[in-house]
Amino acid sequence: KAGVTQTPRYLIKTRGQQVTLSCSPISGHRSVSWYQQTPGQGLQFLFEYFSETQRNKGNFPGRFSGRQFSNSRSEMNVSTLELGDSALYLCASSPTSGGDNEQFFGPGTRLTVL
Amino acid sequence: KQEVTQIPAALSVPEGENLVLNCSFTDSAIYNLQWFRQDPGKGLTSLLLIQSSQREQTSGRLNASLDKSSGRSTLYIAASQPGDSATYLCAVRGGSNYKLTFGKGTLLTVNP
Repeated sequence: KAGVTQTPRYLIKTRGQQVTLSCSPISGHRSVSWYQQTPGQGLQFLFEYFSETQRNKGNFPGRFSGRQFSNSRSEMNVSTLELGDSALYLCASSPTSGGDNEQFFGPGTRLTVL
Repeated sequence: KQEVTQIPAALSVPEGENLVLNCSFTDSAIYNLQWFRQDPGKGLTSLLLIQSSQREQTSGRLNASLDKSSGRSTLYIAASQPGDSATYLCAVRGGSNYKLTFGKGTLLTVNP
C-alpha cells in the first residue's frame, strides 16, 4: 500500500506570494491533518479535514487555509507569504477522524520564503 | 493547554548500549500517545502507538510504556545501532480537536 505523498517536495517563494501544497493520503484513509514544523516552534497543528469538511483548526492566521476533495486528497494554501512561513509542512492521514486513530505522515514539503 | 516535554534534548551513546528516552505530558486526558522517528529533512515515521487504555507496546528492539496517571512515557531502545541515529518525537493525541501535540524531540546519535 502506498504511503502518504506530498507535492511538491521543495518550494521557493518570495514574500507576498501565495502557495498551494498538495497531500494524497493512504488509500482508504479519509482524514488528513496538516502540521507546520519550524526549528523554533517545533511541530504545530494547522487543521484537519475529514469527508471534505474542516473538522478542527489550530492557532494559525486566516492566511492558512485548506480544502479536501471527494477522493480525500487535500490541499493547503498560504496567502501573502511572510518570511516566518518558511518551514517543513507535513500532512498526516488516518482512516477516520476519531481520537484513537494512528496518524501516518508524508515526507513533507519544504517551503522557503525569501 | 497540553504541553509535552522530552528529556534529554540530545543523547550520544556507543553502539550496543540500551537506552531510554523520556516524554512527559501535562494533561492526562489523552486518546493515545505515539512515538515517531525523524531523519534530517525527512517526514515522520511512526514507531509505536499506545492507546490510553494500554500500558506498553513493543516492536522489535523498541518498547514504549505509558503511565497516563503520572503523564509519562518512555521509549526503550535495546542494543542500539548507528542506524538508530535520528530525532525521536513523542506526541499525545487529545482534546476536542483530536490534534497531536508534539514534544521538541530527542536527538539520538549512536556512535560506531
